[in-house]
Amino acid sequence: EVQLVESGGGLVQPGGSLRLSCAASGFTFSGFSMNWVRQAPGKGLEWVSYITSSGSTISYANSVKGRFTISRDNAKNSLYLQMNSLRAEDTAIYYCARARKISGSYFFDYWGQGKLVTVSS
Amino acid sequence: DIQMTQSPSSVSASVGDRVNITCRASQGISSWLAWYQQEPGKAPKLLIYPASTLQSGVPSRFSGSGSGTDFTLTIGDLQPEDFATYYCQQANSLPITFGQGTRLEIK
Repeated sequence: EVQLVESGGGLVQPGGSLRLSCAASGFTFSGFSMNWVRQAPGKGLEWVSYITSSGSTISYANSVKGRFTISRDNAKNSLYLQMNSLRAEDTAIYYCARARKISGSYFFDYWGQGKLVTVSS
Repeated sequence: DIQMTQSPSSVSASVGDRVNITCRASQGISSWLAWYQQEPGKAPKLLIYPASTLQSGVPSRFSGSGSGTDFTLTIGDLQPEDFATYYCQQANSLPITFGQGTRLEIK
């Protein structure tokens, strides 16, 4: 059974940093691209970042570029999101999601349960 | 960026009804579109991709159609567990973008 379990969320002050982790199991982690998707309270879904299976290609939403860093450790079956210079508008539930690739396009076929990040003083 | 616009934003229906939710892309995305269902307090669940293929385990009362800029999610014979929020997502180009969501409520 595919499982994605996020950890590391919590309350942080504006300008602070936080690192999210996503532990994967039930599939060959090194064979899949992975993503982070977030959802502000009561709002819709926003794609944040993706990383290919080897880590060779990475992309970010403009809203987080230069502040967030995605990475992965295939030996540990883990995905990470380092979040720096956090702002109030980064407050959201953060989901890790596995990418199903079809002809270069990505859909999210499995999601973690999500982790709440709250940026507030 | 490609903007995705869903309509309606919310809809009320009864068990057994048939409902259509539409999604329009600001530019052509071929068939690179997915539909997700999100129940309150839960992660989204992939229903259909690309455009019309049902994800494994999704009931056949769900169907998707469309290509280019206009897409439709149809839910036939609504069941109590279908009352949730639905999102479309384009996968044609980065950044990946979602529609604003359609809340399906019980009448």
